[in-house]
Amino acid sequence: EAGVAQSPRYKIIEKRQSVAFWCNPISGHATLYWYQQILGQGPKLLIQFQNNGVVDDSQLPKDRFSAERLKGVDSTLKIQPAKLEDSAVYLCASSYLGGKFFGPGTRLTVL
Amino acid sequence: SQQGEEDPQALSIQEGENATMNCSYKTSINNLQWYRQNSGRGLVHLILIRSNEREKHSGRLRVTLDTSKKSSSLLITASRAADTASYFCATDAGGNQFYFGTGTSLTVIP
Repeated sequence: EAGVAQSPRYKIIEKRQSVAFWCNPISGHATLYWYQQILGQGPKLLIQFQNNGVVDDSQLPKDRFSAERLKGVDSTLKIQPAKLEDSAVYLCASSYLGGKFFGPGTRLTVL
Repeated sequence: SQQGEEDPQALSIQEGENATMNCSYKTSINNLQWYRQNSGRGLVHLILIRSNEREKHSGRLRVTLDTSKKSSSLLITASRAADTASYFCATDAGGNQFYFGTGTSLTVIP
């Protein structure tokens, strides 16, 4: 069974630029999550989708972050404009029957 | 913060020794999960223990859960250099209440 796919794996941008991350969950997993993991910390939930609907985006900085999951499969997370403090690993996960399965993450560096 | 606390923050042991890390949390939960994260990689799901379970085994992993103390422990027996990673607990209280702990960085010295 293929795992959660994410791209790109690494991204370096300058502050105030825009960036987008892509996630393809495990086939059949209706729930998809985006997490932000700052170095040395545990992952923090940004947004949760159930199929193509948003379940929880309470911790998403909506002035600069946006996410969508068209057709209830793939998802994209966008940051516009990026700030220095956005430097982190962005993890996508999908779940089925309680267990969450994570992708390899995208490491973002904002200079 | 609803995030769990893990201790120790860092642990260094010799290959072959056992490694124990602990997780404490604040609210009632449906289940607790442990994950491993190698440097620069995504999180790998290790084991899930439900609130009505007290102990669970998977290979060299042993997880305990004490809901009265709101704590869990992860024991890795006969550690190997490949076990070097960060280990996170995550509590699932149902709905959207899923939170990761702060992590324990384990180094196994060959």
